Amino acid sequence: NAGVTQTPKFRILKIGQSMTLQCTQDMNHNYMYWYRQDPGMGLKLIYYSVGAGITDKGEVPNGYNVSRSTTEDFPLRLELAAPSQTSVYFCASGWGASEAFFGQGTRLTVV
Amino acid sequence: EDQVTQSPEALRLQEGESSSLNCSYTVSGLRGLFWYRQDPGKGPEFLFTLYSAGEEKEKERLKATLTKKESFLHITAPKPEDSATYLCAVQARTGNQFYFGTGTSLTVIP
Repeated sequence: NAGVTQTPKFRILKIGQSMTLQCTQDMNHNYMYWYRQDPGMGLKLIYYSVGAGITDKGEVPNGYNVSRSTTEDFPLRLELAAPSQTSVYFCASGWGASEAFFGQGTRLTVV
Repeated sequence: EDQVTQSPEALRLQEGESSSLNCSYTVSGLRGLFWYRQDPGKGPEFLFTLYSAGEEKEKERLKATLTKKESFLHITAPKPEDSATYLCAVQARTGNQFYFGTGTSLTVIP
């Protein structure tokens, strides 16, 4: 059972480039989340989804976009990458009113 | 505003030296409080969920408790393999978000 799978694990982007972080879960969870984790700042919610076709903003959505066309997949799109987007990104899934299960993270550096 | 504060930021213990980590929270109606463990370079790993004041959960050397304002993660006779960052998160009844604290970095010295 794979759980939550994120790709890639590491990426270096140049300022102004775009990329998509992939997230897939095989637990049939309805809720999916994207967080970023910066040193000393804790996990901050970027976007979340309560089901296919439904997405909503979290605390720090600027500079990001998401889509949820299937239950399993929840990609995060970065347009026009900026140094402030250097971070570790975590995808998670769950049933909503219960614990969330996290992927292993994507470490992104924007230079 | 929903908020989570964890203390201490860092804790060093000798193997076998029991201690507690604190998570204080402010939330407009608690749906659940969650404890996670995070190892370096890995994603958070779920430990416990607590839903109401007075509730307790145990797993091996860890025991989590909950009051109306805070939660404690008690570590009894810790081992070096318990070294990790422990994260606390809350979820309000009125929303779908988890609010995370900044974590306590625990180091257990052999």
